[in-house]
Amino acid sequence: RKEVEQDPGPFNVPEGATVAFNCTYSNSASQSFFWYRQDCRKEPKLLMSVYSSGNEDGRFTAQLNRASQYISLLIRDSKLSDSATYLCVVNGGRGSYIPTFGRGTSLIVHP
Amino acid sequence: EAGVAQSPRYKIIEKRQSVAFWCNPISGHATLYWYQQILGQGPKLLIQFQNNGVVDDSQLPKDRFSAERLKGVDSTLKIQPAKLEDSAVYLCASSAGGAVKNIQYFGAGTRLSVL
Repeated sequence: RKEVEQDPGPFNVPEGATVAFNCTYSNSASQSFFWYRQDCRKEPKLLMSVYSSGNEDGRFTAQLNRASQYISLLIRDSKLSDSATYLCVVNGGRGSYIPTFGRGTSLIVHP
Repeated sequence: EAGVAQSPRYKIIEKRQSVAFWCNPISGHATLYWYQQILGQGPKLLIQFQNNGVVDDSQLPKDRFSAERLKGVDSTLKIQPAKLEDSAVYLCASSAGGAVKNIQYFGAGTRLSVL
């Protein structure tokens, strides 16, 4: 089993739709979690950190489920500009503060 | 605030040649990361430095890859000799410290093509 797993998609949704991605991790000792966004041929950029209590930033909501070892990202009212690859990052997956990226989930928002 | 600087942006070499990439992190950032990102995959951590010490290099192919971070500031990643499968984007990132909730800031990357 891979340390961090994501469904690569693509997720093809119309503007205005709500879409959710999950990311599972294998090491129960993992300590911190993030979602990054990567546009085509660009570098990853932080979208949001994921806190135990869940957190929201505008149309984006991130949640952590430690019991089932996954994090989720919910995007409401999708915009064309949300089209990108969404990467989850888990820190501490190899016993230290070392980051492991998932392969990313591709989102395509169409008119 | 200046971001993470990487050079060159693009490099084309033939297999068995050598290549080097340079990274200058955000000023004051103690932690520096080198990643390899192959098309369609997530970034794979090659090496992580804390100041000028190595935190993790378990996924660095040490028979051909080497990296250094002299004086705990900028860093160089070298491949010698290159193979076809090394074609990828090499990303450098930095973060402020060794705390668990580190946020990484990435450079624009170096796109390497090995022919």
